[in-house]
Amino acid sequence: DAKTTQPPSMDCAEGRAANLPCNHSTISGNEYVYWYRQIHSQGPQYIIHGLKNNETNEMASLIITEDRKSSTLILPHATLRDTAVYYCIVAYYNFNKFYFGSGTKLNVKP
Amino acid sequence: EAGVTQFPSHSVIEKGQTVTLRCDPISGHDNLYWYRRVMGKEIKFLLHFVKESKQDESGMPNNRFLAERTGGTYSTLKVQPAELEDSGVYFCASSQVYGTANTEAFFGQGTRLTVV
Repeated sequence: DAKTTQPPSMDCAEGRAANLPCNHSTISGNEYVYWYRQIHSQGPQYIIHGLKNNETNEMASLIITEDRKSSTLILPHATLRDTAVYYCIVAYYNFNKFYFGSGTKLNVKP
Repeated sequence: EAGVTQFPSHSVIEKGQTVTLRCDPISGHDNLYWYRRVMGKEIKFLLHFVKESKQDESGMPNNRFLAERTGGTYSTLKVQPAELEDSGVYFCASSQVYGTANTEAFFGQGTRLTVV
């Protein structure tokens, strides 16, 4: 069963920041937070992951609360091509057995 | 660098037939995973190889599914005999091992299997 809770859908205006929340209140000390997205029927695409510090890469930023019970994925300037289902996943660092859950359907609108 | 490659991209077979799906992981990745999404459901883990060894096959639905990774390179997933409920998209992913940690997993584009 998925260990995370995400809103089923969100809208975002093109060019604005998209902030996708995720609750993972039962996360253990050795579990990382991963974010993936699936555009249409393509394979899941890796976005970013982190343990407890905030992380940033060329795609997005990941903000993890101090108690690690929730996190937010930030797409700084959403484009129409960012329309996808976004999955927040917690998993141990030593293997990648992911529970995908239902994710958040992000709709980026012109 | 080539990503995870899956063959075929689509397969339509009749109930009772056999189908073999293939996955070529990213070169040098010791970890290889199979996942699938059946109609209307979430993406589910099937199994995990570390090199040629099955590390975790707890997600395999039944004994009609057989996964192999001879030589620790590419992997095959055979469904024999196929049933209607096996229809869905089968994803393969791979990741590298660094010390005691794994890198992020990269997924292929999937094989869409339709059993009629």
